Parts: sequence; C-alpha cells; structure tokens
Amino acid sequence: GAGVSQSPRYKVAKRGQDVALRCDPISGHVSLFWYQQALGQGPEFLTYFQNEAQLDKSGLPSDRFFAERPEGSVSTLKIQRTQQEDSAVYLCASSLVTGGTDTQYFGPGTRLTVL
Amino acid sequence: SQQGEEDPQALSIQEGENATMNCSYKTSINNLQWYRQNSGRGLVHLILIRSNEREKHSGRLRVTLDTSKKSSSLLITASRAADTASYFCATDLRDNYGQNFVFGPGTRLSVLP
Repeated sequence: GAGVSQSPRYKVAKRGQDVALRCDPISGHVSLFWYQQALGQGPEFLTYFQNEAQLDKSGLPSDRFFAERPEGSVSTLKIQRTQQEDSAVYLCASSLVTGGTDTQYFGPGTRLTVL
Repeated sequence: SQQGEEDPQALSIQEGENATMNCSYKTSINNLQWYRQNSGRGLVHLILIRSNEREKHSGRLRVTLDTSKKSSSLLITASRAADTASYFCATDLRDNYGQNFVFGPGTRLSVLP
C-alpha cells in the first residue's frame, strides 16, 4: 500500500508569506506527528494528533504555526508570516496505534526555504 | 534540548567493515528505535527495542540496549556503500504522553567502496 505522502516536496516563500504543508498518512493510522528538521540535525517534534484531536502541540515554535487534522486523516501544517528561521524540512509521520509506542512511518518531507 | 545523543557524529569506514554507532539518553523510556535517513529523503525505520529487551537482530543489524547506562548501540555488519546515510536513535519517553518521540542529532555514516 501507499506510504505517507507530503506535498509540496519543495516550497520557496518570501518572508512574510503564509504557507500550507500537507500530509497524507497511511490509511487507518491513528497517530500523526509533525517534525521540523534543520540541516544536519535530527527531527524536532512539533505536534501530535490522535485521530482528529491535537493532543500535544508543545513543540510548535510560535503562534505562527498551526496544524489541523479535521477528519482524522489528512493533516495540514500552516505557517503564517514566514521568517527565515522557519527554513527547514518538515516531516510528517503516522503510526497505527496511539502515542509513540509503535513504529512511525515517515513521509519524504517538505523542504521549505524562506527568502 | 534533545534526549538522545548519538556518538560518533560522523563515521567513515571501508566497505565490508562493521560500523558501530552509540546513543545515550537521559530519562526513562518505553522503547528506543533506530532510523536511517538517506540524503534528502524521509526517515526509514530500522529496528525497535523495548525497555525490557537487551538485544535485537534484524539482518545485518544488531541493536543492544542497556537501561542501567541509558545507552544503546547499533551495529551494522559487513557494511555496503548503500549503507551510507545518517542514523538516528529515537526514544519514546515514559509518562510523556504525546511528545513521545525525541530524536538525537544523528551519526553520519560514510561507507567507502
């Protein structure tokens, strides 16, 4: 079956623009995670959904970041008024069960460059 | 701050040699997982070891876990050029609902032909 997909794969934004990043998890997966990965670093947790409920958003760096998963499947990460420090790869992962006690399947990521 | 720290940060070996990477963490965990990331790609799950397990094998991979030392190691035997990638450990923190996965900064492995 299909894995986790993300779109767009690459996004260039001018400083101050709003962007929306999409994640299509594996069908039937309950948990969905968003991570931010800076160049040469490991992924940093942003937020976690269990079905449509956003149970943890403690990793979101500012109130410019907003994530949703309204129907418990596709998720969107929105960044308002982008800044240069937002440049990173944004990774989405899903897992079959709740929480982090199961294997997470990662998408290819969206590379965001803010000019 | 990141929970896991991989060691070394970078490793370069010849094809056929074994590669050992280590991961240390700070707080109690439910499980620890190793992932591989090829340049410009997403992460691929390699192996999961639970806190009550000490060693696990998968093909050419061997993972050990020492909860008393809060450390894990990943051994890749008979390395191949295709093993060139970054390797990350990720810990599932006990009693930290939601923010379950904390990744280390990774070890960049280069396998030279």
